[in-house]
Amino acid sequence: AQSVTQLGSHVSVSEGALVLLRCNYSSSVPPYLFWYVQYPNQGLQLLLKYTSAATLVKGINGFEAEFKKSETSFHLTKPSAHMSDAAEYFCAVTYTSGTYKNIFGTGTRLKVLA
Amino acid sequence: DAGVTQSPTHLIKTRGQQVTLRCSPKSGHDTVSWYQQALGQGPQFIFQYYEEEERQRGNFPDRFSGHQFPNYSSELNVNALLLGDSALYLCASSGLLGAGGETQYFGPGTRLLVL
Repeated sequence: AQSVTQLGSHVSVSEGALVLLRCNYSSSVPPYLFWYVQYPNQGLQLLLKYTSAATLVKGINGFEAEFKKSETSFHLTKPSAHMSDAAEYFCAVTYTSGTYKNIFGTGTRLKVLA
Repeated sequence: DAGVTQSPTHLIKTRGQQVTLRCSPKSGHDTVSWYQQALGQGPQFIFQYYEEEERQRGNFPDRFSGHQFPNYSSELNVNALLLGDSALYLCASSGLLGAGGETQYFGPGTRLLVL
């Protein structure tokens, strides 16, 4: 079955440190890949998306992600964490070959330490 | 430009009741998708509407139904509510249906509590 795995339900980093949030998907066919951020009591906001163009995708707020087909990964990074980055992050995948599927990971809560 | 709006923001129902949630898409968008987000989980895709028809559906029972109106707004109906239906229900709108790579814009959600 197709799935999305986010390693680490909670990640803590110091302010100014590198942020790395992991996402792996299961499919032999490259899907569309997304990262969303969710602040408390709010809906989801798109950070970035991969749609088979450049493998390194730059998003908002200094985030970027690299699509690695050989590793079926789409990890999210930011060089320097800011306190305002504390939120929940979701990786999502859309498969359109065969049955349409839109699958979200279980989320990673990012905590930024002063 | 108003983004995606949802109503109500919060709702409390009892088991067995029926509920209707509403969504207005972002201006210029004609496709609406609904998601269920249980506490501590990622959103789960319920279904997607385009041109007033359900075009895609996730793994949800028939108790979950929807409707899209000519102005592209949408309703999510849930019948015979179960305790497990307690969740945040998110609506997302986008342009052009089902290409897969379209950007979805999410509303703030409706939090449903079933007692």
